Amino acid sequence: QVQLVQSGAEVKKPGASVKVSCKTSGNIFSNSGINWVRQAPGQGLEWMGWISGYNGNTNYAQRLQGRVTMTTDTTTTTAYMELRNLRSDDTAVYYCARGYCSRTSCSYDLDPWGQGTLVTVSS
Amino acid sequence: DIQMTQSPSSLSASVGDRVTITCRASQSIGSYVNWYQQRPGRAPNLLIHSASTLETGVPSRFSGSGSGTDFTLTVSSLQPEDFATYYCQQSFSPPITFGQGTRLEI
Repeated sequence: QVQLVQSGAEVKKPGASVKVSCKTSGNIFSNSGINWVRQAPGQGLEWMGWISGYNGNTNYAQRLQGRVTMTTDTTTTTAYMELRNLRSDDTAVYYCARGYCSRTSCSYDLDPWGQGTLVTVSS
Repeated sequence: DIQMTQSPSSLSASVGDRVTITCRASQSIGSYVNWYQQRPGRAPNLLIHSASTLETGVPSRFSGSGSGTDFTLTVSSLQPEDFATYYCQQSFSPPITFGQGTRLEI
């Protein structure tokens, strides 16, 4: 069964960086795109970007360009999302979610999701 | 970016009721719409992909329809476990965008 397991909650000060991990299981990494989605307290879902588990290609949401970096470690089948220069409005639960990739294209049908990582930005 | 406008933002209903949630895309997106259910404190869960295809294990009281710009999620007979927040999402092209969510409450 495919599972995504994320790292634990973080508390950061404004201006700092955070790096969240997403460990995949079920031998899916090479045919997956890992999407990152965040949810501020009481708010809706915001897509942050995507990284290919196959070749590391990325696609970031424009409003986060320059502050976000997504990477993978194929040896441990783990994806990472680093967000820099944190602000108070970055306080949110951060989710990773898988989209299936064939040889020629990737879908954005997000399933499964990780359990979420709460990142709190506070001075 | 493709905007997804979801309505209503909240909905009060009772067990056994039939409810419908709508989602409108800002441009034609074929059938590239997914629906998610999110319970409090939990990650979203994919219910329906490609506008109308139920995920494995999703009860048949859930159904989706639509194409182009207008989409609906219908729950034919609400059960207690269905009271949650529902989101539509366009999977047509990145950046992926979600509707604002519909909170379904008793």
